[in-house]
Amino acid sequence: NAGVTQTPKFRILKIGQSMTLQCTQDMNHNYMYWYRQDPGMGLKLIYYSVGAGITDKGEVPNGYNVSRSTTEDFPLRLELAAPSQTSVYFCASSYGVRNNEQFFGPGTRLTVL
Amino acid sequence: GESVGLHLPTLSVQEGDNSIINCAYSNSASDYFIWYKQESGKGPQFIIDIRSNMDKRQGQRVTVLLNKTVKHLSLQIAATQPGDSAVYFCAENKETEGSQGNLIFGKGTKLSVKP
Repeated sequence: NAGVTQTPKFRILKIGQSMTLQCTQDMNHNYMYWYRQDPGMGLKLIYYSVGAGITDKGEVPNGYNVSRSTTEDFPLRLELAAPSQTSVYFCASSYGVRNNEQFFGPGTRLTVL
Repeated sequence: GESVGLHLPTLSVQEGDNSIINCAYSNSASDYFIWYKQESGKGPQFIIDIRSNMDKRQGQRVTVLLNKTVKHLSLQIAATQPGDSAVYFCAENKETEGSQGNLIFGKGTKLSVKP
């Protein structure tokens, strides 16, 4: 199994540009998550999904959108990039009732200039 | 507001010594406390969790202690190795509707192991 994969690894955006961060997992997990990690800080939950077609906001959803059309994929969309969105973004997945053990992807480092 | 945080931002230990990483929490309603390890350039990796009705739980070379009286959580790593060098995060979780909820992460402690 590849686990959780994310693309791209790095990206530089200009203010106002849009992009989609891709996330795919091959473990047949129902639960998927998007976090952001600012320098020297812990992870903050942006959005999560408990299954295909179901998404919900986390702690810091403003400026982001998600969709979950399949069990495997959970893309994160930035519509109008702002410098405050400069961060490292992690996607994760977990079994439905074992959310303590989440499996993380390698991250996407995003810089907005 | 309620949060999960850490006492020390950095910890340096000699290879072979035991490491103790501490965490203070303020939400007494949390059902689980969890430790994650994040190596440089990688995503976090689950280490161990402990339910709030337990005081101690052991894994392979790691032990987590929970002191609910003082709202303190610690991770002990026995015989620390260079591969243990990483940032360690504590997190908390509250059950909702029969399943575990979403994690709330603390800021992390950087562990450096000297050869």
